[in-house]
Amino acid sequence: NAGVTQTPKFRVLKTGQSMTLLCAQDMNHEYMYWYRQDPGMGLRLIHYSVGEGTTAKGEVPDGYNVSRLKKQNFLLGLESAAPSQTSVYFCASTRAGGWQETQYFGPGTRLLVL
Amino acid sequence: RKEVEQDPGPFNVPEGATVAFNCTYSNSASQSFFWYRQDCRKEPKLLMSVYSSGNEDGRFTAQLNRASQYISLLIRDSKLSDSATYLCVVNLFGNEKLTFGTGTRLTIIP
Repeated sequence: NAGVTQTPKFRVLKTGQSMTLLCAQDMNHEYMYWYRQDPGMGLRLIHYSVGEGTTAKGEVPDGYNVSRLKKQNFLLGLESAAPSQTSVYFCASTRAGGWQETQYFGPGTRLLVL
Repeated sequence: RKEVEQDPGPFNVPEGATVAFNCTYSNSASQSFFWYRQDCRKEPKLLMSVYSSGNEDGRFTAQLNRASQYISLLIRDSKLSDSATYLCVVNLFGNEKLTFGTGTRLTIIP
């Protein structure tokens, strides 16, 4: 099992450009999450999904959109990148009943917005 | 007050020593508690869950104090490989979301 994988690993964008981050998991997990991690801020939840076709906002959703068309994939989109979105993005997944379960993280995507 | 608060450190501890961290949380109705470990430039990984009765896994012991709203992590006989950032994680509101502390950085010195 590959676990949770993220694509790409690193990306540089110019302000105003768009991009999509892909998260894939092969553990048949119901719940998937997107976080960003910034120095001194800890991990902050952007959006999450409790099942195929459903998404919900987290703590810092502005400027991001998500889609969960397939159970194993969770996409995070930046429509118009801003320097404030420079961060490390982590995807995670858990079995149903997510708050009691271990969150498995992907290796992260480092994004630099110039 | 932050929802989940940790001392950021750094804690610089000699090899073989015992070190302890605390983490406080804001909501007395919080349901689940965890310690995650994050190595430099890597993803977080679960170290251990924290149960009401406390739990131990080898050199690691986790405790929960609901009355004072904190959890603790004790590492005995510390190893160089214990150097990492330790994240306190709490399910504050009994839903699908977890809240992460900013982490405590630990360096074990030879």
